[in-house]
Amino acid sequence: GESVGLHLPTLSVQEGDNSIINCAYSNSASDYFIWYKQESGKGPQFIIDIRSNMDKRQGQRVTVLLNKTVKHLSLQIAATQPGDSAVYFCADAVGDSSYKLIFGSGTRLLVRP
Amino acid sequence: DGGITQSPKYLFRKEGQNVTLSCEQNLNHDAMYWYRQDPGQGLRLIYYSQIVNDFQKGDIAEGYSVSREKKESFPLTVTSAQKNPTAFYLCASRSPQANEKLFFGSGTQLSVL
Repeated sequence: GESVGLHLPTLSVQEGDNSIINCAYSNSASDYFIWYKQESGKGPQFIIDIRSNMDKRQGQRVTVLLNKTVKHLSLQIAATQPGDSAVYFCADAVGDSSYKLIFGSGTRLLVRP
Repeated sequence: DGGITQSPKYLFRKEGQNVTLSCEQNLNHDAMYWYRQDPGQGLRLIYYSQIVNDFQKGDIAEGYSVSREKKESFPLTVTSAQKNPTAFYLCASRSPQANEKLFFGSGTQLSVL
């Protein structure tokens, strides 16, 4: 079956360093991928998304890389700040009209001052 | 302000009791979703609705019920048949113009007394 998972449950980085959060997916038919940030006790917030016809997309301080060959997705955060501390989820959209996003278990990012 | 409003923020359920979680959106979105989040885990889909007066079961619909009588509202009832209801419940909506991106509410924490 399809699944979306993360390699590391917790990532600790020094403030100012770059962060890389990884995600693996299993459904080769997935054509849409998205990253969310969730702070404690709050709903997830959209960070960035990418379609399968692209391999890289950049936003403000964030970059998403997609490697369809190995079914791998990563989120890069440049110059990590204390406000980036949160749980990050990747998700992929099932490729049918229901548009159901399938979420991974998340990676907690801790930023050390 | 446009957005998704979930209420209450915290809810307690007694044994054998049904409780209803509210979700209202003023984004004029057609599709709405309910997810359940357990500690340290990702989001699991309970129910979703693509249009008014229509809804479909997600991956963990047992013990839950929904209605979609108005475009703006998608209430979730946690019935007494749900034996492990303690979780963080998230409502989301989606606009066709936003592709598969979901906009989330701030969540309701349900606990059992």
